[in-house]
Amino acid sequence: AQKVTQAQTEISVVEKEDVTLDCVYETRDTTYYLFWYKQPPSGELVFLIRRNSFDEQNEISGRYSWNFQKSTSSFNFTITASQVVDSAVYFCALVPLGNNDMRFGAGTRLTVKP
Amino acid sequence: DTAVSQTPKYLVTQMGNDKSIKCEQNLGHDTMYWYKQDSKKFLKIMFSYNNKELIINETVPNRFSPKSPDKAHLNLHINSLELGDSAVYFCASSQERTPLAGVADTQYFGPGTRLTVL
Repeated sequence: AQKVTQAQTEISVVEKEDVTLDCVYETRDTTYYLFWYKQPPSGELVFLIRRNSFDEQNEISGRYSWNFQKSTSSFNFTITASQVVDSAVYFCALVPLGNNDMRFGAGTRLTVKP
Repeated sequence: DTAVSQTPKYLVTQMGNDKSIKCEQNLGHDTMYWYKQDSKKFLKIMFSYNNKELIINETVPNRFSPKSPDKAHLNLHINSLELGDSAVYFCASSQERTPLAGVADTQYFGPGTRLTVL
C-alpha cells in the first residue's frame, strides 16, 4: 500500500525564520517518485519538485531545499528565510512506478507572519 | 497562455441536477486526470485517461463519468448531484504515454472548479 504522512497539520512562523515541513512515506515499490506541491490561498496547485527514488541527492532551489532520505522514508522540505508569500498549504505526494496513481499527504498549512 | 484550464471556476447547483466540468490542456500531454479536494483539503485521484483509455478508476460512484473527446480534453460529467459532491475538482495532465513507460512525469494542475451542491 502507498501512503504519505504529513504529521504537521499547521505551522506558524515569523518572517525570516527557517521552517521544515516533514513528509514520511510508505511503499513496497523499489522505484517511485516523490513530489511537493504548493497551494496558496488563491487555490491553485503549484508544482515545486519531483524526485525519483534512485536520486538521493539533496536539492536546493533558491530559498527552498529538499532532503530525501530513503533509509527513513522521508522527503522533507525546508524554506530558508521564510516570507509572507510562502504562506500556503504544502502537499507531499508519492507515485509508484507503473501507474499514475498519485497519493497525496494531508498537507501542512504554513502561515508566515510579518 | 494557460497550460491547464477548467471551466467553470465556480458551480452552484441544486441536488439532483446533472452538471459538467470542462478541462483542456495545451501542453501536448498524453495523460489527463481528475482529482477531488474535500473541505479538509484531502486530495484524491478520481480518474486518469491516457490516449482516450481509462487507466485509473478509484472507488468513485458511477454518477461520475469522465469523457475525453480528444487528447487535449477531459470533461467530468456528474449525474444526480448529491450534497456530498460539494468539493473542489482539479484537472491535471502529464506527459507519460503509458503508465508502464518507466517514468512518473510531473502532473500539472488546472485552477480548480469549486462545486457547491445546495
